[in-house]
Amino acid sequence: DAGVTQSPTHLIKTRGQQVTLRCSPISGHKSVSWYQQVLGQGPQFIFQYYEKEERGRGNFPDRFSARQFPNYSSELNVNALLLGDSALYLCASSLASGAVNEKLFFGSGTQLSVL
Amino acid sequence: QKEVEQDPGPLSVPEGAIVSLNCTYSNSAFQYFMWYRQYSRKGPELLMYTYSSGNKEDGRFTAQVDKSSKYISLFIRDSQPSDSATYLCAFFTGGFKTIFGAGTRLFVKA
Repeated sequence: DAGVTQSPTHLIKTRGQQVTLRCSPISGHKSVSWYQQVLGQGPQFIFQYYEKEERGRGNFPDRFSARQFPNYSSELNVNALLLGDSALYLCASSLASGAVNEKLFFGSGTQLSVL
Repeated sequence: QKEVEQDPGPLSVPEGAIVSLNCTYSNSAFQYFMWYRQYSRKGPELLMYTYSSGNKEDGRFTAQVDKSSKYISLFIRDSQPSDSATYLCAFFTGGFKTIFGAGTRLFVKA
């Protein structure tokens, strides 16, 4: 079975641009979470989506948005990119949301560099 | 005080050594305690998961939780070069987000 797939693997953008990152969860998983991992730090929670609805949002500005599609895939959008947005963006899928959500399965991430 | 404290290392040990990795936390609402392993240029992979105080063993790995002291540990026996990675402690309250430590980089020398 395929794991969590993310695209693209690497991306280089300039300040002020917009970016869209994509994620396909494990088959049968209905919840997708997005995390940002800055070099040398642990992943920081951005969003969780379950059944196409936002279930939680971390402490990130409104420049960050996401959505989940009927096939449970997801997109993360970041507008007006700043240098500080340079990071590894991780998508994680899980079976559901809430009590069983704690077992996350991560993709390999999208490495975003903002110049 | 940070919600989760984890020594970033790096920790360098010879092959076959016993490795001890630790995290402290301050949030009493944490219900689930996990360890993830992250290889370079990869996403984290769930290694151990527990929700109670005490020890849980899985092969060469043992996870230990002490809720009274707000302290969790991961022990790796007979460490191998393939264990070289970053180890992230992680915590979940039953809501919608997992909170990670900063990770400890481990190098196991052949």
